[in-house]
Amino acid sequence: GEDVEQSLFLSVREGDSSVINCTYTDSSSTYLYWYKQEPGAGLQLLTYIFSNMDMKQDQRLTVLLNKKDKHLSLRIADTQTGDSAIYFCAESPDVGSARQLTFGSGTQLTVLP
Amino acid sequence: NAGVTQTPKFQVLKTGQSMTLQCAQDMNHEYMSWYRQDPGMGLRLIHYSVGAGITDQGEVPNGYNVSRSTTEDFPLRLLSAAPSQTSVYFCASSSANEKLFFGSGTQLSVL
Repeated sequence: GEDVEQSLFLSVREGDSSVINCTYTDSSSTYLYWYKQEPGAGLQLLTYIFSNMDMKQDQRLTVLLNKKDKHLSLRIADTQTGDSAIYFCAESPDVGSARQLTFGSGTQLTVLP
Repeated sequence: NAGVTQTPKFQVLKTGQSMTLQCAQDMNHEYMSWYRQDPGMGLRLIHYSVGAGITDQGEVPNGYNVSRSTTEDFPLRLLSAAPSQTSVYFCASSSANEKLFFGSGTQLSVL
């Protein structure tokens, strides 16, 4: 079955860049997502990338996709204390299958002042 | 904008008790789903629905029932709670070809 893996923890200093990594196994993954979960809240979609893209940039966020290695990363530039949260990588075979997302275990990002 | 509303936010049950976790959305979304979140395991899909009257099993359906009598509501029922069902439960909804919207979660403890 599908598997999505992430490291559990990441700490960075305020103002530095954060890079959160994710690997997946399903070669039919068409859409790859990054979700953010703040304490006591549900998940919010940050960004997503279609599998025919290598990179997507949205303000401070840069998503890189290496489809050959099945590796996805999320770079947050100028990381702020408000970026402290759990970040989930997820994949689905198509955007219409939002119900069939497979999530990674989440990476807890801690931003130190 | 209410979005996806889950109740209750917290619940403590004894083993063998039954209860229903409520989920309602006001966005006229066709798709609704239930996930459970456990430490180190991400979110796992329990049940989902692609429209009123239609439900299907996800990755971890055992011990849970769902129904979808209206577009707005998608309750999750635990018929006989077990300690293994201690978790945080999230309801989510979406339209076709659109992103998932999540509720704020229900933290359930089964003693």
